[in-house]
Amino acid sequence: ETGVTQTPRHLVMGMTNKKSLKCEQHLGHNAMYWYKQSAKKPLELMFVYSLEERVENNSVPSRFSPECPNSSHLFLHLHTLQPEDSALYLCASSQDPTGGLEETQYFGPGTRLLVL
Amino acid sequence: QKEVEQNSGPLSVPEGAIASLNCTYSDRGSQSFFWYRQYSGKSPELIMSIYSNGDKEDGRFTAQLNKASQYVSLLIRDSQPSDSATYLCAVDSGNTPLVFGKGTRLSVIA
Repeated sequence: ETGVTQTPRHLVMGMTNKKSLKCEQHLGHNAMYWYKQSAKKPLELMFVYSLEERVENNSVPSRFSPECPNSSHLFLHLHTLQPEDSALYLCASSQDPTGGLEETQYFGPGTRLLVL
Repeated sequence: QKEVEQNSGPLSVPEGAIASLNCTYSDRGSQSFFWYRQYSGKSPELIMSIYSNGDKEDGRFTAQLNKASQYVSLLIRDSQPSDSATYLCAVDSGNTPLVFGKGTRLSVIA
């Protein structure tokens, strides 16, 4: 596979469930990102990892827990979510998170999450 | 707080016309600028990047940058219905991840 892949593409879960979103990048990049995009709202940056180290956490509730075991894989663990967490969750990667051409981000197809 | 502003639209243009999408940013130290296209229900895809003042052309797309005015635009010539999407402006201010605007929804009418 090429580019940035995400699984699952669609997910329906109850508020008491625990699930995980997976992202994999095949671009040899060093930085990976999680974004949330709700209907008719802008992209919200959630987490940034650079070389497997979390470099940014934008005040995201603890019911979202990221994990980056290596520079190619990124997970978002979900537990006790709320209906307002329903959104498109996008993963992206870039060569470098700190600027310039190498900060060009490439997005995965997203996971459409519905919390009932 | 670093901000990127775009008109939300919708911007409606007839097929074959030039669509002009605008973006302003607050951080004067910004160095890199990106335009992404996002179709409904899909993820953003990179269209163009620009780093120097002036115009940069790629096919039907032209990005224009004016750092003095803190303004970046995207022109789409010979607009097609398939260009109908939301266009996101993103700005790199160095040492922080990209800051995205809210996007402008473009509708090209056949």
